Amino acid sequence: GAVVSQHPSRVICKSGTSVKIECRSLDFQATTMFWYRQFPKQSLMLMATSNEGSKATYEQGVEKDKFLINHASLTLSTLTVTSAHPEDSSFYICSARDYEGANTEAFFGQGTRLTVV
Amino acid sequence: SQQGEEDPQALSIQEGENATMNCSYKTSINNLQWYRQNSGRGLVHLILIRSNEREKHSGRLRVTLDTSKKSSSLLITASRAADTASYFCATAESSGGGADGLTFGKGTHLIIQP
Repeated sequence: GAVVSQHPSRVICKSGTSVKIECRSLDFQATTMFWYRQFPKQSLMLMATSNEGSKATYEQGVEKDKFLINHASLTLSTLTVTSAHPEDSSFYICSARDYEGANTEAFFGQGTRLTVV
Repeated sequence: SQQGEEDPQALSIQEGENATMNCSYKTSINNLQWYRQNSGRGLVHLILIRSNEREKHSGRLRVTLDTSKKSSSLLITASRAADTASYFCATAESSGGGADGLTFGKGTHLIIQP
């Protein structure tokens, strides 16, 4: 099946710094990628939809200036957590679809565990 | 918004037994997908069932979909210790045309006792 690679798998950063997470589709092109967030023992919540060549669409309650998304190519989307705080510590997961229409599975990256100290 | 609701939230069974998890959702969907997540790791896609399908099989997995009740079930037969994980249903809404992200349920944490 299609592969989505996410990097880094875990990162620890100091409060106030910014962290960039990369999501790559390795063997297919993805015009749309999705970013999710998961708190411990909870489900995944969609944060934003990343569109190649245009601005990302953010879900209600997600600060676009806090979570910067760039989708510069058909195989790469990045999520930057700016001025990170301990409450931003979470598991971030990206996904992409290899489009054949609406009824296709979504492929997920391995996730990035962010810890802000 | 979170629309999928799984039950039970936690399930512990003996190895070899069957495990059944249920999921309910609220909106019209194109498809419903089941995923597995091992602790602290990414998601593994298990099976996708389209809105016009009622049942689907894949190995030891059996998924049903009842669009009139807006519910789905995942059955894992002859469970193994390696099946211990969290299982999530996720829906793709029909209004999205494939461009929307998935809406995940809260998940069922399955423990298989050896």
